[in-house]
Amino acid sequence: SQTIHQWPATLVQPVGSPLSLECTVEGTSNPNLYWYRQAAGRGLQLLFYSVGIGQISSEVPQNLSASRPQDRQFILSSKKLLLSDSGFYLCAWTLPRGELFFGEGSRLTVL
Amino acid sequence: GDSVTQMEGPVTLSEEAFLTINCTYTATGYPSLFWYVQYPGEGLQLLLKATKADDKGSNKGFEATYRKETTSFHLEKGSVQVSDSAVYFCALSDRNTGGFKTIFGAGTRLFVKA
Repeated sequence: SQTIHQWPATLVQPVGSPLSLECTVEGTSNPNLYWYRQAAGRGLQLLFYSVGIGQISSEVPQNLSASRPQDRQFILSSKKLLLSDSGFYLCAWTLPRGELFFGEGSRLTVL
Repeated sequence: GDSVTQMEGPVTLSEEAFLTINCTYTATGYPSLFWYVQYPGEGLQLLLKATKADDKGSNKGFEATYRKETTSFHLEKGSVQVSDSAVYFCALSDRNTGGFKTIFGAGTRLFVKA
């Protein structure tokens, strides 16, 4: 069966510090992978998606970046965090009919 | 571009009440439509889906019908329970050259009182 894991689950970081959130998928190959952000009380904002290794599409210009070094690994990074980067980050992959399967989420608080 | 609009919350109901959460969409193609649910502190889970006009998605007592003529996908449940308290997201997914891209509504928080 397919599973998706992301970590860390919770992170508290000072402004200006770097960030690395990791997501891995098991039980499937060549998935479309996504990073979403959910700010407090808001809907989901698509940040990045990837259709293959090394292929990243950015939806929103910002100080975040994404990389896909392996088929089932998707990483969200930042060199210097801003207060506005706080939120709940969700990794997901797409099933054949377009439905998304989400990870457990990573809650980031930037102080 | 594609968009999803759903009713603002929070919605507060008593147990066993009837639930409707309205959702309308705009899309240039023929998207699939979804409802996702997010329980406190968790990621999102697919609740139900419909892939073409007049399809009815159903799961756990929830239902929604894909209405192309009114571009709507309203979520309904005949008798809510306290355990249904969560945030509900309406979404559409359209295939493009980069694969599927899913657009979400803002979410509607539901509180069910015992």
